[in-house]
Amino acid sequence: QKEVEQNSGPLSVPEGAIASLNCTYSDRGSQSFFWYRQYSGKSPELIMFIYSNGDKEDGRFTAQLNKASQYVSLLIRDSQPSDSATYLCAVNTANDYKLSFGAGTTVTVRA
Amino acid sequence: GAVVSQHPSWVICKSGTSVKIECRSLDFQATTMFWYRQFPKQSLMLMATSNEGSKATYEQGVEKDKFLINHASLTLSTLTVTSAHPEDSSFYICSATTTVRGYEQYFGPGTRLTVT
Repeated sequence: QKEVEQNSGPLSVPEGAIASLNCTYSDRGSQSFFWYRQYSGKSPELIMFIYSNGDKEDGRFTAQLNKASQYVSLLIRDSQPSDSATYLCAVNTANDYKLSFGAGTTVTVRA
Repeated sequence: GAVVSQHPSWVICKSGTSVKIECRSLDFQATTMFWYRQFPKQSLMLMATSNEGSKATYEQGVEKDKFLINHASLTLSTLTVTSAHPEDSSFYICSATTTVRGYEQYFGPGTRLTVT
């Protein structure tokens, strides 16, 4: 079982819709959770981090964490064509600053 | 804040030569820096973790004599690909983190290496 799993997609949504991305992790002791966005040919960019159960909102992005279910999600509201990218879920599974990354979900926003 | 630079952004070298890639944290002191490699349409692969002033810790399967990492200061880490071969052609990305900020990593823009 992989440490961090994501649906690979592609996830296609119309402009203005909500894109919902899911991530599950295997280490119940994980404490820190991150969402990165990676455009084709570019390096990852941190867009959200969440440490506590519940929702965390930042602009059009909402991260949701449920530690009991070992599940973290990212919602993108009012999706724009510029949101078309691969979204990587990352989890800190040990106190050594390493992150375990999922394979990423590719999102395409249709104009 | 949390800006990480890499140099060069792309490099082409001949097989058998060595290439050095620099990674700098511009506006914070990086406790730990990481080096990743990414092949097309694949996810990030962690190569090694480096802490300032100590030897890098390499992931299983990564040749430490081929990929030399030096973390000379709290703002600079270098990766040297020695005796490069075409199969080393890849996108190399560094990231940095600091105890002050928690576990989030900030990535440099990456270096695209092509070995001919």
